[in-house]
Amino acid sequence: AQTVTQSQPEMSVQEAETVTLSCTYDTSENNYYLFWYKQPPSRQMILVIRQEAYKQQNATENRFSVNFQKAAKSFSLKISDSQLGDTAMYFCAFMKQPGSARQLTFGSGTQLTVLP
Amino acid sequence: DGGITQSPKYLFRKEGQNVTLSCEQNLNHDAMYWYRQDPGQGLRLIYYSQIVNDFQKGDIAEGYSVSREKKESFPLTVTSAQKNPTAFYLCASSDRGGSTDTQYFGPGTRLTVL
Repeated sequence: AQTVTQSQPEMSVQEAETVTLSCTYDTSENNYYLFWYKQPPSRQMILVIRQEAYKQQNATENRFSVNFQKAAKSFSLKISDSQLGDTAMYFCAFMKQPGSARQLTFGSGTQLTVLP
Repeated sequence: DGGITQSPKYLFRKEGQNVTLSCEQNLNHDAMYWYRQDPGQGLRLIYYSQIVNDFQKGDIAEGYSVSREKKESFPLTVTSAQKNPTAFYLCASSDRGGSTDTQYFGPGTRLTVL
């Protein structure tokens, strides 16, 4: 079974600064997907970024980028130029390579607060 | 607009009652999922369906039931057998045959047992 660990329950950052959220996972699979989702106070889950394990290049999406270290089973999220609207709970999630089941395994989340 | 809708947004249930949560999508996605979220925790999978008239149990299926009679709809019934049903419920869908398996989520339903 896969497990996802987010060791930082809460973090804060000043507006316009950069922050990195940590995520580690445990799996015996070689091919899989990793995701970061954000959940603002509205509680809508919103996809932030996605990484395929077979890709060596780290995914980027505007101000969001990841540092994917496959050997270390680490998948951190970097948010640059933090904005007040980035305040949310951030979840790291794992999915095995598509097969009979495509379920996501989530970490427990990191509450990020962007301070003005 | 394409998307996933869930209704109602808030639901109150008396102990011993069954309630059904609605999830509809117009994204033409094959796969649909139900997750439960408790305070301070991540999401846990209840049931999923990859095709019409077929569904599988997730990690915490006890006390829940689902149906998938239409591609667009995947209702979840919380039965009286679910001992602690108060939680936030999220529905998701994904394009099973597409280039990605990214799951997209609805706005959620908050269920409270009185």
